[in-house]
Amino acid sequence: AQSVTQLDSHVSVSEGTPVLLRCNYSSSYSPSLFWYVQHPNKGLQLLLKYTSAATLVKGINGFEAEFKKSETSFHLTKPSAHMSDAAEYFCVVLSSNTGKLIFGQGTTLQVKP
Amino acid sequence: DTAVSQTPKYLVTQMGNDKSIKCEQNLGHDTMYWYKQDSKKFLKIMFSYNNKELIINETVPNRFSPKSPDKAHLNLHINSLELGDSAVYFCASSLWTSGTPLYEQYFGPGTRLTVT
Repeated sequence: AQSVTQLDSHVSVSEGTPVLLRCNYSSSYSPSLFWYVQHPNKGLQLLLKYTSAATLVKGINGFEAEFKKSETSFHLTKPSAHMSDAAEYFCVVLSSNTGKLIFGQGTTLQVKP
Repeated sequence: DTAVSQTPKYLVTQMGNDKSIKCEQNLGHDTMYWYKQDSKKFLKIMFSYNNKELIINETVPNRFSPKSPDKAHLNLHINSLELGDSAVYFCASSLWTSGTPLYEQYFGPGTRLTVT
């Protein structure tokens, strides 16, 4: 069965410093992986996706993620945090035979001024 | 311009009532989904329809009944509402090809259901 584990439930950074949100996945074959962001009282927005092309994936708003098969990881990074990045972030794996999105538990990103 | 829309945005109702949430997408997708987000922000799929056919039906009480009148619409009807049904319900849509989901899902803004 496929699954994702977000290693931190809460991450706090200062504005202008790097962001690292960690995600490990479990899959018996090459997975399709996504990062979604949810701002307070809003819907989910796709940040980026990995679908077995380039292992370094660039997304919106300066975010990127690197797929590392040897470490079964798909960590999300951003060089410099902005106040508007404060939100809930979800690492997600797609079950290709059922179409189910399987969500991680979420990581709350706090950005301090 | 709205891609995936849901109505209503907020729904407050009493236990025992029956309510419906509507979802519409204008992306030309052939597959639609309902997700439930609980108070701890955990998201879990409930149902999925592909070309109006139910393809995912998770372990959900049979008080929840999805209906897809066409590919662009997926409604969720809930009978005999209970306190535990309070959550945010998200609709999403995507495109499949040859029976395989290849693309990301686009989410609606959510419907916050509060049962008192």
